[in-house]
Amino acid sequence: DVKVTQSSRYLVKRTGEKVFLECVQDMDHENMFWYRQDPGLGLRLIYFSYDVKMKEKGDIPEGYSVSREKKERFSLILESASTNQTSMYLCASSLNLFGYTFGSGTRLTVV
Amino acid sequence: GQQLNQSPQSMFIQEGEDVSMNCTSSSIFNTWLWYKQDPGEGPVLLIALYKAGELTSNGRLTAQFGITRKDSFLNISASIPSDVGIYFCAGQLTGANNLFFGTGTRLTVIP
Repeated sequence: DVKVTQSSRYLVKRTGEKVFLECVQDMDHENMFWYRQDPGLGLRLIYFSYDVKMKEKGDIPEGYSVSREKKERFSLILESASTNQTSMYLCASSLNLFGYTFGSGTRLTVV
Repeated sequence: GQQLNQSPQSMFIQEGEDVSMNCTSSSIFNTWLWYKQDPGEGPVLLIALYKAGELTSNGRLTAQFGITRKDSFLNISASIPSDVGIYFCAGQLTGANNLFFGTGTRLTVIP
C-alpha cells in the first residue's frame, strides 16, 4: 500500500513563527499536493508539484511556499504564521488524477 | 478556483436508513470521484466515474455521473455505524492537472 506520511499530527505555533510541514511518500509518485481543510469549505488546494523542483500554485497560495528537493518529499512552509492559518493540512500524492493517496493530516493551531 | 457545492452539509440518520447526497458545479467535469474521510484520517477514494450517465456501485455505495456533467450523486444503502465520516466529491476539469474537491457532507449514523 502507498503510504503518505505527515511528520506531525498536531502542531501549535506562535504568530510570526516560520512553520515547516513535512510530507513523505514511499511509492515513487510524480505528483504531490498540499490542501487545507476547513469546515464548510472542503479541501482547498494550496500548492502542487509534479516533479522535483517544480511547483504550481493552487487556489490559495498566499502566505505559503513549498519545497520539493527530492521526489519523495514535499514540504509546506508558512513563512510567518498567522492565526487565520489555523487549519487541518492534508498532503496527497498520486501517479495520476484518479489515485490520490492522502496522509492523515496535520492539525495546526497558530496562537 | 472551482466551487463544488455539496448537499446536504451534514446528516444525522438512524442505522439502517439509506443516504443520498449530491455535488453540483457551474462547470463541466470530465471525471467525478467520491472520497470518504474517517475521523482523524485523510480521505480515501470510494468510487470513480468517467463518463456522463455512468452508474457505478461499490458494495452498499452507488454513485452516478450526471448527464449534464455538472453534478454527481452518491447513495449509501442500509447505513451502518462505520459509515460515519465526511464524504467529499471531487472532479477534474478538461486540461487541469489537479482535482477540485467539494465542501463535504458530514454523516452521523445513530445506532
